[in-house]
Amino acid sequence: DTGVSQNPRHKITKRGQNVTFRCDPISEHNRLYWYRQTLGQGPEFLTYFQNEAQLEKSRLLSDRFSAERPKGSFSTLEIQRTEQGDSAMYLCASRGQDNQPQHFGDGTRLSIL
Amino acid sequence: GEDVEQSLFLSVREGDSSVINCTYTDSSSTYLYWYKQEPGAGLQLLTYIFSNMDMKQDQRLTVLLNKKDKHLSLRIADTQTGDSAIYFCAEMTQAGTALIFGKGTTLSVSS
Repeated sequence: DTGVSQNPRHKITKRGQNVTFRCDPISEHNRLYWYRQTLGQGPEFLTYFQNEAQLEKSRLLSDRFSAERPKGSFSTLEIQRTEQGDSAMYLCASRGQDNQPQHFGDGTRLSIL
Repeated sequence: GEDVEQSLFLSVREGDSSVINCTYTDSSSTYLYWYKQEPGAGLQLLTYIFSNMDMKQDQRLTVLLNKKDKHLSLRIADTQTGDSAIYFCAEMTQAGTALIFGKGTTLSVSS
């Protein structure tokens, strides 16, 4: 069990640029989640995959955000035309069966200049 | 809607017990969780409790659940300086997909 892996750990970009983050879940975990955490807050749910199917999206996920999990393994989260308000920690989590908890990666910290 | 509330700060001396409290709104939550976050890191799962249990103990950690009052607590015995971190309480959404987190309790342990 190598844990949930996220890359990059840090991303600094200029406003208006596109960014893409990657998440590799714990192997054999078929459920994958993305959360966003801003300073002083708890994580907020963005979206959820079961295998390759995106089953739920939060209203926080504006049309500038898109997430994929093409083969049911790793996932990517893309933000287009980044804005200052997108600065946050983006966390990925994965889970196996229904009665198992979500395990989190170390996150990608996004800073918008 | 679902909501989770926690006190924001707790300060204790090394060796004392720490008790972090949480209230939640969704009475249908099947599992409730405690996560720990150190600076610049992701969330580390500490423990979780199934809703039909009143208590769960795991080494220095004791979780108490009062379903009637929708109150969850985490007790850390013999608190160490390495326990200094932010502790998050979380409940599962009604749909059984996402976690709803509180704002976190910052635990400060002084020697």
